[in-house]
Amino acid sequence: DTGVSQNPRHKITKRGQNVTFRCDPISEHNRLYWYRQTLGQGPEFLTYFQNEAQLEKSRLLSDRFSAERPKGSFSTLEIQRTEQGDSAMYLCASSRGQYGMNTEAFFGQGTRLTVV
Amino acid sequence: AQTVTQSQPEMSVQEAETVTLSCTYDTSESNYYLFWYKQPPSRQMILVIRQEAYKQQNATENRFSVNFQKAAKSFSLKISDSQLGDTAMYFCAFMKHESGYALNFGKGTSLLVTP
Repeated sequence: DTGVSQNPRHKITKRGQNVTFRCDPISEHNRLYWYRQTLGQGPEFLTYFQNEAQLEKSRLLSDRFSAERPKGSFSTLEIQRTEQGDSAMYLCASSRGQYGMNTEAFFGQGTRLTVV
Repeated sequence: AQTVTQSQPEMSVQEAETVTLSCTYDTSESNYYLFWYKQPPSRQMILVIRQEAYKQQNATENRFSVNFQKAAKSFSLKISDSQLGDTAMYFCAFMKHESGYALNFGKGTSLLVTP
């Protein structure tokens, strides 16, 4: 399968614990995006990378959240000191090149986080 | 900030019929892109159709077409000859021309296609 891969698919954690999610984009895609989707809502943009550079961060990305893409390939999203409000689906997407009609973003199946 | 509004939380259509999903948006940008994404149950988001704001011609992809009214800031999706596999959440999304692919999504419309 050459699509966007996210691991784990599901994560249950206790409040206060740290969690890390991984996203493997489509191999030739240089842009990578993280979104958060809560129940009954559309996805909300968190951050994106062009290769290894983090170019934009949403105000939703609090100090407890950090994302990396160390070699411009896979990316990790870490949430420290999780709170119940962090419970959501975390979606990763990737695309190639610049914005525009030739850069469709492909989404992964997401990681569903439940904080108990 | 750009906002995207989908005023129909749920819709239902019979197989082979036509259904239209509504979307309005608010922006001060003159150059942008609009999208419709489909999210089937427990599956990933898939791009259905996209429209560049500077193009007057409405986009069409097989059974899917849009009615883009720039002045009214309206971007509706028409699904013709509905199929059971069209059952999904449908999200309207906005992207500024210079924002990479940072999409602003609406809350979605849940579409159920019945036999």
